[in-house]
Amino acid sequence: EAGVAQSPRYKIIEKRQSVAFWCNPISGHATLYWYQQILGQGPKLLIQFQNNGVVDDSQLPKDRFSAERLKGVDSTLKIQPAKLEDSAVYLCASSLEVTYEQYFGPGTRLTVT
Amino acid sequence: GEDVEQSLFLSVREGDSSVINCTYTDSSSTYLYWYKQEPGAGLQLLTYIFSNMDMKQDQRLTVLLNKKDKHLSLRIADTQTGDSAIYFCAESILKAAGNKLTFGGGTRVLVKP
Repeated sequence: EAGVAQSPRYKIIEKRQSVAFWCNPISGHATLYWYQQILGQGPKLLIQFQNNGVVDDSQLPKDRFSAERLKGVDSTLKIQPAKLEDSAVYLCASSLEVTYEQYFGPGTRLTVT
Repeated sequence: GEDVEQSLFLSVREGDSSVINCTYTDSSSTYLYWYKQEPGAGLQLLTYIFSNMDMKQDQRLTVLLNKKDKHLSLRIADTQTGDSAIYFCAESILKAAGNKLTFGGGTRVLVKP
């Protein structure tokens, strides 16, 4: 079974630029999560989708971050404009249902200069 | 509120047992998890325990839960060099809005030959 796929693996941008990350969850997994992991910290949930609907985006900085999951499969997370403090690893995870284990992708390491 | 605390670092000799500790604050936690993160990789789910259990054993891994003290531990028997990684404890609370994971800051485990 293929795992959660993410791209790109690494991205370096200047502050005020825009960036987008892509996630393809495990086939059949209805629930998709985006986490932000700042160096030296545990992951923090940004947004959770159930199929293509948002379940929880309470910790998403909506003035600059947006996410979509149009067909209930792949998802894109966008930052516009980026700030220095957005430097982090962005992890995507998926699960069969809300109650099931979350499986994580390898992450996208973003560096904002 | 939700808060998960872990010690920062643990050093152990190959072949010895490792014990990683975690404390959490939310007594309504439903599940408690242990994840492993190797350098440059995403999080790998090691094991999880329901909040109504005291112990769970899975091969070399033993999870102990003390609900009264809100203390969770992970014991790794016969620790190997491949066990060197960062270990994250996480709690989740099932709500109508979903299964949000709150992670600790991670414990870096170094296994010395």
